[in-house]
Amino acid sequence: GNSVTQMEGPVTLSEEAFLTINCTYTATGYPSLFWYVQYPGEGLQLLLKATKADDKGSNKGFEATYRKETTSFHLEKGSVQVSDSAVYFCATKGSNTGNQFYFGTGTSLTVIP
Amino acid sequence: GAVVSQHPSRVICKSGTSVKIECRSLDFQATTMFWYRQFPKQSLMLMATSNEGSKATYEQGVEKDKFLINHASLTLSTLTVTSAHPEDSSFYICSARDPGGAGKLFFGSGTQLSVL
Repeated sequence: GNSVTQMEGPVTLSEEAFLTINCTYTATGYPSLFWYVQYPGEGLQLLLKATKADDKGSNKGFEATYRKETTSFHLEKGSVQVSDSAVYFCATKGSNTGNQFYFGTGTSLTVIP
Repeated sequence: GAVVSQHPSRVICKSGTSVKIECRSLDFQATTMFWYRQFPKQSLMLMATSNEGSKATYEQGVEKDKFLINHASLTLSTLTVTSAHPEDSSFYICSARDPGGAGKLFFGSGTQLSVL
């Protein structure tokens, strides 16, 4: 079946540090891969996505590359800001899974000045 | 961007009582809304798909009599946890699909339910 394994948090970084949040998945077929972000007091928002192998999703300085060979979709940002403090969720959605997204457990990131 | 409003954000109730959670799409009409649940340190899991004007579709293992879903209008879906028990304590989050926005999903801010 489908599942997502995500790096556990919480993660605390200083401003301008490099961020990596690991995400690996298991899925049947060729799923689409997503990173969602939840800022304090707000709903989940789509941060970036990739729909096929070797695609790179990017937004707001964040990047993630769809690696089929390692079944990974690690989230990276070269220089984090305090405003990036949030909970990040990795997710997959397959063409054969209907409405079912498979989410990771979420990784809480706190960036300190 | 499209906004989905969910409330309450936090509710504490006694065992045996019922709790209603509302999910509203504020600037688009959502024929389809989704309800998720997340237990501590576990993944968000889809509970049910709510379809306007028809019965909700529940995922395997979700009790439809316990988690009543009503989608009476194109902008409102409600989830009622009936006769809540401590094991129902969880984080519930809804999402709505914007048919005019390439089918994008927009999420509410979630409801933390604690049953004493």
